[in-house]
Amino acid sequence: DVKVTQSSRYLVKRTGEKVFLECVQDMDHENMFWYRQDPGLGLRLIYFSYDVKMKEKGDIPEGYSVSREKKERFSLILESASTNQTSMYLCASSLVHGRGYTFGSGTRLTVV
Amino acid sequence: LAKTTQPISMDSYEGQEVNITCSHNNIATNDYITWYQQFPSQGPRFIIQGYKTKVTNEVASLFIPADRKSSTLSLPRVSLSDTAVYYCLVGDYLRAAGNKLTFGGGTRVLVKP
Repeated sequence: DVKVTQSSRYLVKRTGEKVFLECVQDMDHENMFWYRQDPGLGLRLIYFSYDVKMKEKGDIPEGYSVSREKKERFSLILESASTNQTSMYLCASSLVHGRGYTFGSGTRLTVV
Repeated sequence: LAKTTQPISMDSYEGQEVNITCSHNNIATNDYITWYQQFPSQGPRFIIQGYKTKVTNEVASLFIPADRKSSTLSLPRVSLSDTAVYYCLVGDYLRAAGNKLTFGGGTRVLVKP
């Protein structure tokens, strides 16, 4: 089975801190994605990457950046964390012509 | 990407069959229909995918009429552990550059004893 591993399950950071969320997949998938999920708003796409060093903005990229230096790793960066970035963050991966996404278990980030 | 509409919530009882219908009037020729299941504090999990007619696996069945403007996920004989949010998504998975999915609000299914 494909595994998508997110480095932290729970994270508490202070306003203004730079935050790194890491995601690693072990099945050589080309595509990787970062979503955030908030009550009443569903899952919203922040950024995705379809190849090493390639990235595209999703629906809500403001306040975030990403890095994909290796195929298996996709990092989400909050340049200066704010309280409105408190959320559940979900990483996913898929094949280029894949039938579906595999999601990680999520990182619940609280910014205080 | 085709927009989808599905009920916000559904209640059922153990042992019953649950059918969730999703509308996708603007589905494109190359679009596939995929359903995901999400439990609290977990990422969504792929359940089933189809293009037309009927698809069945060990977990569920997916019924797609000829016009493909809707689809129905059928969960046979649900148990308490099937309580989850179910998402219907429509997208073209054959495009090379990032087959990104847009999630709607999903259907919250509550299975009661």
